[in-house]
Amino acid sequence: SQTIHQWPATLVQPVGSPLSLECTVEGTSNPNLYWYRQAAGRGLQLLFYSVGIGQISSEVPQNLSASRPQDRQFILSSKKLLLSDSGFYLCAWSGDNLKPEAFFGQGTRLTVV
Amino acid sequence: AQTVTQSQPEMSVQEAETVTLSCTYDTSESNYYLFWYKQPPSRQMILVIRQEAYKQQNATENRFSVNFQKAAKSFSLKISDSQLGDTAMYFCATSGTYKYIFGTGTRLKVLA
Repeated sequence: SQTIHQWPATLVQPVGSPLSLECTVEGTSNPNLYWYRQAAGRGLQLLFYSVGIGQISSEVPQNLSASRPQDRQFILSSKKLLLSDSGFYLCAWSGDNLKPEAFFGQGTRLTVV
Repeated sequence: AQTVTQSQPEMSVQEAETVTLSCTYDTSESNYYLFWYKQPPSRQMILVIRQEAYKQQNATENRFSVNFQKAAKSFSLKISDSQLGDTAMYFCATSGTYKYIFGTGTRLKVLA
């Protein structure tokens, strides 16, 4: 069966520090991968998606970037965090031939102080 | 572009009663799906129900059912016999080419 791992679960970082959140999927090949951000009291905002290695589409101009160095690995990064980067970040995958939905990781609570 | 609108930020329902959550959407996709996800306090996103847009029959999963009105671009979720464990944020979503677009969510509280 397929599983998705996202870490860390919680992160507190100072303003101006770098960021690296990692997500990996097991049990499937060539998944579509996604990064979403959920701000307090708001919905899920699609940040990036990827349909293959090295292929990244950005949905919202911002202080963040994404990379896909391997088929089942998706990384969210920032060189210098801003206070406004605080939020709950969710990684997701799709591409199961039998199920059209997206499957989500456990999320990372990022607080920039 | 795809958009999803949930106009009810918060709702409450008595245990064992029925509640309906509203969702409207807009999409230029000809082939798409609609979803309802549940996010309990644990923050884990859980799929509640899915609907294929080309199917006229409304989807049903146990106590959860949808009212899909394609022409009106409406996709509401009905929860019957509400249980305390149904307390959560509920997100409506639509899928298109590769992307999943979510609404802002409805916070549902089931009262004992």
